[in-house]
Amino acid sequence: AQKVTQAQTEISVVEKEDVTLDCVYETRDTTYYLFWYKQPPSGELVFLIRRNSFDEQNEISGRYSWNFQKSTSSFNFTITASQVVDSAVYFCALRTYNFNKFYFGSGTKLNVKP
Amino acid sequence: DVKVTQSSRYLVKRTGEKVFLECVQDMDHENMFWYRQDPGLGLRLIYFSYDVKMKEKGDIPEGYSVSREKKERFSLILESASTNQTSMYLCASLKAEKYEKLFFGSGTQLSVL
Repeated sequence: AQKVTQAQTEISVVEKEDVTLDCVYETRDTTYYLFWYKQPPSGELVFLIRRNSFDEQNEISGRYSWNFQKSTSSFNFTITASQVVDSAVYFCALRTYNFNKFYFGSGTKLNVKP
Repeated sequence: DVKVTQSSRYLVKRTGEKVFLECVQDMDHENMFWYRQDPGLGLRLIYFSYDVKMKEKGDIPEGYSVSREKKERFSLILESASTNQTSMYLCASLKAEKYEKLFFGSGTQLSVL
């Protein structure tokens, strides 16, 4: 069975703080893909990043970075020097190779206060 | 820019009404999905379609049906709306290749009174 767990329901930080959003996944497939999406108050989920199971390199994009560790089945997301515009709900998702289904975590609501 | 368009941002219906939620994508994607989003539960898959006139049940299909008569359009139907179907409904589309990502519409917040 496939499962994605985002244990942090809601996080509040003050602007310029660093914050890490946790994502733990379960799958028996050897080939799979992991995603992060951002859902601002407007409602539309916006794609941030995808990783395939063979690529454990961490990635940095501006203030965003992702740490993928197969040994702990985790794909964590860090925002450095957070800004008010980062306030949103963030979803982690898993897609297995053979199916077109995506499995989403329950989401983490990030509040960045000025 | 690629686009997934949902016909209504907000919708208010009465219990027992038949409700249609429409979704159109302009990317020629083979796969389309309907999700329901509720606080604390994340996104739950209701139905998906991998081709015209083809559909498969997701995790919570009860009380819903779908229609895909054209490749670009995927409709979600609530045959007899109930208050427990009050939720945010998200449509998404996906190209057939394995590594592709979902593209989402901006959602329809449905309230059933």
